[in-house]
Order: sequence, then C-alpha cells, then structure tokens
Amino acid sequence: DSGVTQTPKHLITATGQRVTLRCSPRSGDLSVYWYQQSLDQGLQFLIHYYNGEERAKGNILERFSAQQFPDLHSELNLSSLELGDSALYFCASSANRDPYGYTFGSGTRLTVV
Amino acid sequence: GQQVMQIPQYQHVQEGEDFTTYCNSSTTLSNIQWYKQRPGGHPVFLIQLVKSGEVKKQKRLTFQFGEAKKNSSLHITATQTTDVGTYFCAGPTSGGYQKVTFGTGTKLQVIP
Repeated sequence: DSGVTQTPKHLITATGQRVTLRCSPRSGDLSVYWYQQSLDQGLQFLIHYYNGEERAKGNILERFSAQQFPDLHSELNLSSLELGDSALYFCASSANRDPYGYTFGSGTRLTVV
Repeated sequence: GQQVMQIPQYQHVQEGEDFTTYCNSSTTLSNIQWYKQRPGGHPVFLIQLVKSGEVKKQKRLTFQFGEAKKNSSLHITATQTTDVGTYFCAGPTSGGYQKVTFGTGTKLQVIP
C-alpha cells in the first residue's frame, strides 16, 4: 500500500456518460497530480493541485475537470466520454510543490464501451 | 514543449545480462527522477538526481545524470526476473516544479 488511495479500481461506462474518479493523497502530502496512461503508453500529465489550488495543467481535455477539496482529496471528472478515453488514470501525491518523487496510487482503469 | 525521450523502447535480455536505458530531454533539467512500473502495477519512485554528472547506485542499479543536465541513464547489472517492468525517467518542466514530464519509457523483459 503506497498510501495514496484511488477509487474505484475499475470502471466500465458507456460513451457519452460522465464519471468521477477519486484520490486521497498520502497523509501530509499537499500536492496531487493526475496522469493518464493509455494501453502500453507513457504517462501523460493532466493536472496538478497544491493545497486546493490548481498549479499546472497539461494536455487535459475540456471535457475533463478536477478539483482538490479542503481535506486534500481530489476528484477527476470526465464527461461526454469517448472510446478513446479508455485508459488507466493515476493519481500521485508529493509533500510539497517541489517534488522529491511522487507516490502513485494503484490507478483507476476506465473502460468506455 | 518539453520532450523527454527514452531509448530503447523495448529490451529483451537473458537473465544475468546487463541492461541500460537512456533518457534525453529537449531542455535542461533541474533534476531527473526514475520510476519503475511493474506489469499491471503503478509507477514506483526509485531515485532523484540533482547535480550535474551525479552518479548514484542502488544495489545492482546505477543512475547517472549528464554533465549538461539534459540526459540520464539507468544501468542494471546482472538482470534478474524481478527487474521486469517499464522504467521511466521524469523531469520537471523548465521554470517550475509544478509539472513533471515523464519519458516515453523502456519496457524490460528478462528471459530466465
């Protein structure tokens, strides 16, 4: 157990639907990062939150949004889902804005059918 | 934007052989991190290098940061089946630490 909790582990949904992925960072970590990993692909940075504020955005689609709540957990919302959104979505946390290594959760595998 | 490329993309080695993956960034990096992702697993942080020319060792793994801080390498001596996985390098975007770009990864397969 890495200390970063992601739920659900698996999600199957239809095209056009909306889903919410949840991440609880490691205790004490203020930063949360979201990454997308398509089949046998690398890790694509989506977004970074630090202590409730958005700090950086990557190649995140307009259909995707995220937020970090006062208790530091984060949610990634994916809407108007397309087949191509099927992927592993990882959340990672780190202690501060200057990362000294990320701690990743076990990911949410999203399948859009 | 910043690109971080790794070569090779795939590597099959016999158990006991050595393995090296190379990481090249299009921009100078303030630091470089390495991660390992086992099949079906999540990336796990291995190490961070900060200084130009820095070399660090972890048992059979040797990590090196280039003098120009634009490239790095990971060398595994005498591979074992437990080394199977994908190795990623990662570096912060220039000008800030808020976004770390991961390399394309090298998938290592060890043949027993």
